[in-house]
Amino acid sequence: DAGVTQSPTHLIKTRGQHVTLRCSPISGHKSVSWYQQVLGQGPQFIFQYYEKEERGRGNFPDRFSARQFPNYSSELNVNALLLGDSALYLCASSLTPGKAGYTFGSGTRLTVV
Amino acid sequence: QKEVEQDPGPLSVPEGAIVSLNCTYSNSAFQYFMWYRQYSRKGPELLMYTYSSGNKEDGRFTAQVDKSSKYISLFIRDSQPSDSATYLCAMTGGTSYGKLTFGQGTILTVHP
Repeated sequence: DAGVTQSPTHLIKTRGQHVTLRCSPISGHKSVSWYQQVLGQGPQFIFQYYEKEERGRGNFPDRFSARQFPNYSSELNVNALLLGDSALYLCASSLTPGKAGYTFGSGTRLTVV
Repeated sequence: QKEVEQDPGPLSVPEGAIVSLNCTYSNSAFQYFMWYRQYSRKGPELLMYTYSSGNKEDGRFTAQVDKSSKYISLFIRDSQPSDSATYLCAMTGGTSYGKLTFGQGTILTVHP
């Protein structure tokens, strides 16, 4: 079975641009979460979606937004990119929110220049 | 103060050594505790998870949770070079239910 798939794997953007990252969860998983991992740090929670509704939001500015589609895939959008947005963006899926059993994708490495 | 503290290391041990990785936390509402392994340029891979206090063993790995001390540990027995990676503790529970709070990660190198 396919794991969590994220696209693209790498991305270079210029300051001020917009970016869209995509995630397909494991088949049957209805919850998708997004995390930002800066080099040398642990992942930081950005959003959680379950059944297409936002169930949690981390301490990130409004430039960050996300949505979940009827097939449970998800997009993370970041507007007005800053140099500090350069990071590995991880998507995790689970059957339901909470507890354990989160499976992460390999991430999208975003570089803002 | 961060909710979850983890010594970043790096930690370097010889093959066959017992490795001890630790995290402390401040949020007493945390109930689910996880350890992830992350290889360079890859996503975190779930190794162990524990609910509430106690021990859990899986092969060479043992996870311990002491909620009274707000302290969790991961022990790796007979460490192998393939264990070389970054180890992340993570936890969730209470009002943070569904949101994983991670430690900084400990870089482990097992040399032959």
